[in-house]
Amino acid sequence: GNSVTQMEGPVTLSEEAFLTINCTYTATGYPSLFWYVQYPGEGLQLLLKATKADDKGSNKGFEATYRKETTSFHLEKGSVQVSDSAVYFCALRKDSNYQLIWGAGTKLIIKP
Amino acid sequence: DAGVTQSPTHLIKTRGQQVTLRCSPISGHKSVSWYQQVLGQGPQFIFQYYEKEERGRGNFPDRFSARQFPNYSSELNVNALLLGDSALYLCASSLGGGESTQYFGPGTRLTVL
Repeated sequence: GNSVTQMEGPVTLSEEAFLTINCTYTATGYPSLFWYVQYPGEGLQLLLKATKADDKGSNKGFEATYRKETTSFHLEKGSVQVSDSAVYFCALRKDSNYQLIWGAGTKLIIKP
Repeated sequence: DAGVTQSPTHLIKTRGQQVTLRCSPISGHKSVSWYQQVLGQGPQFIFQYYEKEERGRGNFPDRFSARQFPNYSSELNVNALLLGDSALYLCASSLGGGESTQYFGPGTRLTVL
């Protein structure tokens, strides 16, 4: 079946550090891939997406590249800020089924 | 423009009771999806509606039901509540096409005692 696996958290970094949050998926065909972010006390917000292999999604300094050969969609940011502290979710959607399938989430803590 | 709105924000019920959660999508969006998010986990898909028709259903018991109204708002009903139904219930709206991005509301926190 379709599934998403994320690295376990919490991930704790100092401000201005480089961030990578790993995400791998299992799916047949060509799913669309998403990163959502959930700030404390808020709802889920779409961070970025990619709909086909080798696409790069980017937003707010975050980037993720759709790698079909490694079935991965790792989230990266060159220099994190305290305000990036949140829970990050990787998700996929199959073309034939509109539901989102989610990873368990990775809590990111940025210390000043 | 207003985003996805959900009501109520918080709800406390006892086992065996019934609950109705409400969602208003972004103006112009015709599809609504419902997800259950248990603390510390990713959301789990419950239902999707498009143009008032059920398009998809996740692996949830028949105690869970939903409907979509002509104005595209939606209700999620849960009967015979169990302690395990305690979760954040999220509503997401989208335009409805195959590549539509889903936009989420703030959720309704349901606590079953």
